[in-house]
Amino acid sequence: DTAVSQTPKYLVTQMGNDKSIKCEQNLGHDTMYWYKQDSKKFLKIMFSYNNKELIINETVPNRFSPKSPDKAHLNLHINSLELGDSAVYFCASSPTVNYGYTFGSGTRLTVV
Amino acid sequence: QKEVEQDPGPLSVPEGAIVSLNCTYSNSAFQYFMWYRQYSRKGPELLMYTYSSGNKEDGRFTAQVDKSSKYISLFIRDSQPSDSATYLCAMSAGGGTGFQKLVFGTGTRLLVSP
Repeated sequence: DTAVSQTPKYLVTQMGNDKSIKCEQNLGHDTMYWYKQDSKKFLKIMFSYNNKELIINETVPNRFSPKSPDKAHLNLHINSLELGDSAVYFCASSPTVNYGYTFGSGTRLTVV
Repeated sequence: QKEVEQDPGPLSVPEGAIVSLNCTYSNSAFQYFMWYRQYSRKGPELLMYTYSSGNKEDGRFTAQVDKSSKYISLFIRDSQPSDSATYLCAMSAGGGTGFQKLVFGTGTRLLVSP
């Protein structure tokens, strides 16, 4: 039974399109995150939600909009995709904000 | 200068060797320290979690934190080919009324040859 699941695993799309990535966790954790991992493997936080409330919003273009319908789900919608958005996007969750994360397996986004 | 620095490697060792992986950091407010292992095309998985300074051991893995030097280490004893992966350190300040993000190092790629 997958703890943190993301869909889709792979996403290839053209510049200018709008796409969404979905994330669900069945661990009962209160906090969920979106991280972006670039080609050099650097993981950088984008957003964090605690019990559906946005608590961390890093300097991310407003083309990226997270949504948390309940504490088990955190989705990421991206408008007007650009080449530079190509990366692996990881969803993660944790029982508290200062504890270790459980990561999903990632969504590899390629913008062409 | 990044908040967390980590040598990207690759670090190549023979099977059975003791591996030492390290990170340095600049933010003295960091209190929570973690090590993650990431296999190719997979998500990072939590290996070790420590709070403040000191050592923590779990099987073949030992994590050390030296807050005075702003330096953390992960030691792997009797390394195995299955340990070949990228190892990421991560840390956060925590505490207080505000939420603190987890800051990651860039990862060290480890290759253990049979």
